[in-house]
Amino acid sequence: GESVGLHLPTLSVQEGDNSIINCAYSNSASDYFIWYKQESGKGPQFIIDIRSNMDKRQGQRVTVLLNKTVKHLSLQIAATQPGDSAVYFCAEIKAGANSKLTFGKGITLSVRP
Amino acid sequence: DSGVTQTPKHLITATGQRVTLRCSPRSGDLSVYWYQQSLDQGLQFLIHYYNGEERAKGNILERFSAQQFPDLHSELNLSSLELGDSALYFCASSVAGGRHTQYFGPGTRLTVL
Repeated sequence: GESVGLHLPTLSVQEGDNSIINCAYSNSASDYFIWYKQESGKGPQFIIDIRSNMDKRQGQRVTVLLNKTVKHLSLQIAATQPGDSAVYFCAEIKAGANSKLTFGKGITLSVRP
Repeated sequence: DSGVTQTPKHLITATGQRVTLRCSPRSGDLSVYWYQQSLDQGLQFLIHYYNGEERAKGNILERFSAQQFPDLHSELNLSSLELGDSALYFCASSVAGGRHTQYFGPGTRLTVL
């Protein structure tokens, strides 16, 4: 069946460096791909999404890249800050009104001071 | 603060019991979603309601049920509880179904002893 998965369970980066979080997906029929951030004790928080017909989308300090050829999604965080420490989830969804959001397993980002 | 509220924050109960989790969506949102988050299964979609009607079901057990009321708040009922039901339960809301961004509440931590 379809699945969304993350390559690495943990990522440790130095404060100020750029972070790259990767995700592989298998459902080529998905229309949107989304990144969520979950801080300890909180619910997932929407970061950014990208439509399947796009390759790149930029937000504030974050960039999402989509490579449909290899079914790969990445989240780039510029100048990583301690507040970026969290678990990051990629998710995918089709555009239909009754479609469901499918989450990957999650990766922990740890920012070293 | 996402604008989605959930009560209670914590719930401790015994096996065989029944509990009700409550969710109030963001103002203006018609869709409510329920998710279960456990360490081994990640974030799993349970069920989606739109304007009082069930729209989609995920991996929701028959012991679990949900409903959305005319004021759009939703309740998730868990019965005949088992130890394995211990998890975080999140509610999310969106303007409508499909690709619209889902905003998550802070969750209810259920512990079954």
